[in-house]
Amino acid sequence: RKEVEQDPGPFNVPEGATVAFNCTYSNSASQSFFWYRQDCRKEPKLLMSVYSSGNEDGRFTAQLNRASQYISLLIRDSKLSDSATYLCVVNRGGSYIPTFGRGTSLIVHP
Amino acid sequence: DVKVTQSSRYLVKRTGEKVFLECVQDMDHENMFWYRQDPGLGLRLIYFSYDVKMKEKGDIPEGYSVSREKKERFSLILESASTNQTSMYLCASSFGGNQPQHFGDGTRLSIL
Repeated sequence: RKEVEQDPGPFNVPEGATVAFNCTYSNSASQSFFWYRQDCRKEPKLLMSVYSSGNEDGRFTAQLNRASQYISLLIRDSKLSDSATYLCVVNRGGSYIPTFGRGTSLIVHP
Repeated sequence: DVKVTQSSRYLVKRTGEKVFLECVQDMDHENMFWYRQDPGLGLRLIYFSYDVKMKEKGDIPEGYSVSREKKERFSLILESASTNQTSMYLCASSFGGNQPQHFGDGTRLSIL
């Protein structure tokens, strides 16, 4: 099993839709979790950290399920500008070395 | 805002050359990282450093070395460039253990 797995997509959704991505991780000792956004030919940018209790930032909600070892990202009211690749990041349990998933591609169309 | 600056956005070098990629961060971060990103393979960690003069191998260190003489600067060195090192190289830094990373703009390196 890969350390961090994501469905590569693409997820093709209309504007205004709600879309959710999951990311599974294999190391139960992992302690920190993040979602990044990467636009084509650009660097990854931090979208949000993921906290145990779940957290929300505007239209974006992140959740952590430690029992099933996955994190999720929910995007409500999708905008054209949300089109990007979404990377989940999990630190290697007990260390500060992050492991990146390969990303999920989102395409929002008019 | 955190600023991570990579010395070049685009670079073209020849096979066998020694290539230096520089990265500077302005937030006094302890940790610095070098990745390469290739289509379909995601980000792969080459080397990282958690303190001045300290370095650790990542997942794909072969053909690379690094230098961290000052806290703010982390250099990636391709000892003898080869065509399979053509890639996007990304530098990142973070404050400590469980803090998120901040990335530079990336360097698109082509080895001819």
